[in-house]
Amino acid sequence: KAGVTQTPRYLIKTRGQQVTLSCSPISGHRSVSWYQQTPGQGLQFLFEYFSETQRNKGNFPGRFSGRQFSNSRSEMNVSTLELGDSALYLCASSLGVAGIKREQYFGPGTRLTVT
Amino acid sequence: GENVEQHPSTLSVQEGDSAVIKCTYSDSASNYFPWYKQELGKRPQLIIDIRSNVGEKKDQRIAVTLNKTAKHFSLHITETQPEDSAVYFCAARASGSARQLTFGSGTQLTVLP
Repeated sequence: KAGVTQTPRYLIKTRGQQVTLSCSPISGHRSVSWYQQTPGQGLQFLFEYFSETQRNKGNFPGRFSGRQFSNSRSEMNVSTLELGDSALYLCASSLGVAGIKREQYFGPGTRLTVT
Repeated sequence: GENVEQHPSTLSVQEGDSAVIKCTYSDSASNYFPWYKQELGKRPQLIIDIRSNVGEKKDQRIAVTLNKTAKHFSLHITETQPEDSAVYFCAARASGSARQLTFGSGTQLTVLP
């Protein structure tokens, strides 16, 4: 079974631009979570989607948004990029949100650099 | 919301020795506690997890213990090997669709040959 995939793997953007990152979960997984990983802040939760609905949202500004499609693929968008948005963005998929099947498996991440 | 604290932030051990990483959590409703290993430049990998209905779980050289009363859980690695060197993250989550997985700040484990 293929793992979680993310595209692109690397991105360089300039301040003020916007960016869209994509995540394809493991086949059969319906939940996708997004995290921002930086050396100083560790793994910070952005949001979680299940069945095309946002189920939870972390403490990030409204410039960070996401969505999930009917095939469970998810996209994350960051508008008006700031230098501080430079980070590794990880998505993780799991079978479900609640209940027993909540093990999350991570993708390889998208390394975003904002200049 | 949930707050997870992890200690130590760095840990060096000699090959063959044991390593212990400890985490505490604040939300008494948390009932799922996974541990992830992240090697340099790679994705976090789930290595073991425990649910609140058990106090200990083992998988070869790795074990996790949970003390619900004290709200802390620990990762134990025995007979450490150089390939165990990585950053380890603990996490906690309560059941319910509105609960997120909250991570600790990570422990950089270095196994010295």
